[in-house]
Amino acid sequence: AQSVTQLGSHVSVSEGALVLLRCNYSSSVPPYLFWYVQYPNQGLQLLLKYTSAATLVKGINGFEAEFKKSETSFHLTKPSAHMSDAAEYFCAVTLNQGGKLIFGQGTELSVKP
Amino acid sequence: ETGVTQSPTHLIKTRGQQVTLRCSSQSGHNTVSWYQQALGQGPQFIFQYYREEENGRGNFPPRFSGLQFPNYSSELNVNALELDDSALYLCASSLAGDVYGYTFGSGTRLTVV
Repeated sequence: AQSVTQLGSHVSVSEGALVLLRCNYSSSVPPYLFWYVQYPNQGLQLLLKYTSAATLVKGINGFEAEFKKSETSFHLTKPSAHMSDAAEYFCAVTLNQGGKLIFGQGTELSVKP
Repeated sequence: ETGVTQSPTHLIKTRGQQVTLRCSSQSGHNTVSWYQQALGQGPQFIFQYYREEENGRGNFPPRFSGLQFPNYSSELNVNALELDDSALYLCASSLAGDVYGYTFGSGTRLTVV
């Protein structure tokens, strides 16, 4: 069965610091992987997606994620945090393009001035 | 192109009542998926509709039901509401279930008292 684990329900960084949000997945076959961002009282916005074309995936707003099969990880990074990055971030996995998304519990990112 | 529109945005119901939530899919999309997001949790897949038929269901009881209309809009119905049904309900539309092209609405916040 597929599952997603996000390490750390809350991460706090200073403005300008590196952002690292961790995601590990469990899947018996190569999965499709995603990162979504959710701002308060809003729906989910796709940040980036792993399509197997490249292990390093670049997304919107300066975020990127690296797929590491040996570690079953898909961690999200951003070199320099901005105040506007404060939000809830969700990692998600599915086994096929037509299937349901399985989400992690989410990581709340706080950015201190 | 228009995005995914959900209505109402907020709703308060009493335990035991029934509720209907609505979703208008993005132009050109023919598949609608519904997710439940409890406070502090990641979204959980309820079901998906394609060509007006249920096309996949998560671990939700039968009192959660849905409809898809010829114009691809959709309804989520919940009978016999329970306090634990309080959550943000998210609708996502896509083309033929292509999860890469998921577009989420802003959700309906349901409170059961």
